[in-house]
Amino acid sequence: GAVVSQHPSWVICKSGTSVKIECRSLDFQATTMFWYRQFPKQSLMLMATSNEGSKATYEQGVEKDKFLINHASLTLSTLTVTSAHPEDSSFYICSAQPSGRAGETQYFGPGTRLLVL
Amino acid sequence: GENVEQHPSTLSVQEGDSAVIKCTYSDSASNYFPWYKQELGKRPQLIIDIRSNVGEKKDQRIAVTLNKTAKHFSLHITETQPEDSAVYFCAASWRSNSGYALNFGKGTSLLVTP
Repeated sequence: GAVVSQHPSWVICKSGTSVKIECRSLDFQATTMFWYRQFPKQSLMLMATSNEGSKATYEQGVEKDKFLINHASLTLSTLTVTSAHPEDSSFYICSAQPSGRAGETQYFGPGTRLLVL
Repeated sequence: GENVEQHPSTLSVQEGDSAVIKCTYSDSASNYFPWYKQELGKRPQLIIDIRSNVGEKKDQRIAVTLNKTAKHFSLHITETQPEDSAVYFCAASWRSNSGYALNFGKGTSLLVTP
């Protein structure tokens, strides 16, 4: 149980294009999902918290107009990197918190490796 | 928010030895402390967690201890095996405006040599 999928697993795009990443909880409902960014050999940096049916909460330093988050259902959150630039290249990982449980446990997706040329 | 410090950043042990990773946190309101294992290029996997009403929890070769007074918690792996080699992250919960979030330590790269 507690499986989270993420799509695509990797993407290469040209500078200036937008990229959409999907995060799905496959066997549970998730009121809250999180988006992280991870650079090589570094820790997970929280970008934003996504709550179903409401606006995402962004961490300090994360541009909400550049990283658009939509959490339209209890099993799907999307992150769109708009007008991507090479410095946006990174490993993006989502996580999902099961609804109605203790509240803090997070299960991670497999990540999306983004390379912007 | 929460500040989580993790040590050591790298740890090398011989197969069969024990490995200990320590973390400290700053927010006394934190009450949930998970540990994740991340293999290269893969997702973090929850391996064990502990809540603030418990001082110790064990699952086969893995154990976690928590000292709420001192605000530190530790991961103990006994009888290490080469497949235990990975990066381990500790985390502590904190209450954000959107619910419960996790702050992660910087990770410990564990290498178990045969």
